[in-house]
Amino acid sequence: DAKTTQPPSMDCAEGRAANLPCNHSTISGNEYVYWYRQIHSQGPQYIIHGLKNNETNEMASLIITEDRKSSTLILPHATLRDTAVYYCIVRVRSNDYKLSFGAGTTVTVRA
Amino acid sequence: NAGVTQTPKFQVLKTGQSMTLQCAQDMNHEYMSWYRQDPGMGLRLIHYSVGAGITDQGEVPNGYNVSRSTTEDFPLRLLSAAPSQTSVYFCASSLGVQETQYFGPGTRLLVL
Repeated sequence: DAKTTQPPSMDCAEGRAANLPCNHSTISGNEYVYWYRQIHSQGPQYIIHGLKNNETNEMASLIITEDRKSSTLILPHATLRDTAVYYCIVRVRSNDYKLSFGAGTTVTVRA
Repeated sequence: NAGVTQTPKFQVLKTGQSMTLQCAQDMNHEYMSWYRQDPGMGLRLIHYSVGAGITDQGEVPNGYNVSRSTTEDFPLRLLSAAPSQTSVYFCASSLGVQETQYFGPGTRLLVL
């Protein structure tokens, strides 16, 4: 699976959009971009995933650049409950079951 | 749906003791797995199962055993606990190998 690079931390004001970047310059054509988050002491929570088109669900939006070398997770209206570590994972949807979690981005939403 | 459940939430063991961490899911998922997470690190895959009666090793399988007798349950056994196994253990399940994985709340294990 391709390696991802995320900033170690970022702050966001409550009620504002949080834009979380992820670089995956070595991504290959059959690799998906997944986002999970882990709120302190809890299990990882799936947020969203995509291949090349932008995706949106009830939690977030995922914007993938045309060359697929980077992506941005957007939390449209951040709340204090969104404070968590956010993981960007690139994964081939194949018979390899493993999810490779890196260090992620620690997002702190401030009132 | 309860989703993925894990018991116990917290456990203290002495070196050499054995125990079983329980994991159950009620979503009829075929795929289940165990990860461990050490402080400041990402999750590492211990063992996984692609269906009842079928298991395989992940990245860090040594010291752990698993079995999958039913679709719902996937217990993780520590045969002889060591301090290096102090960690938080997460169980996950998914409908298929390519599908989204859903995680349980975790079991915090301390081995003295």
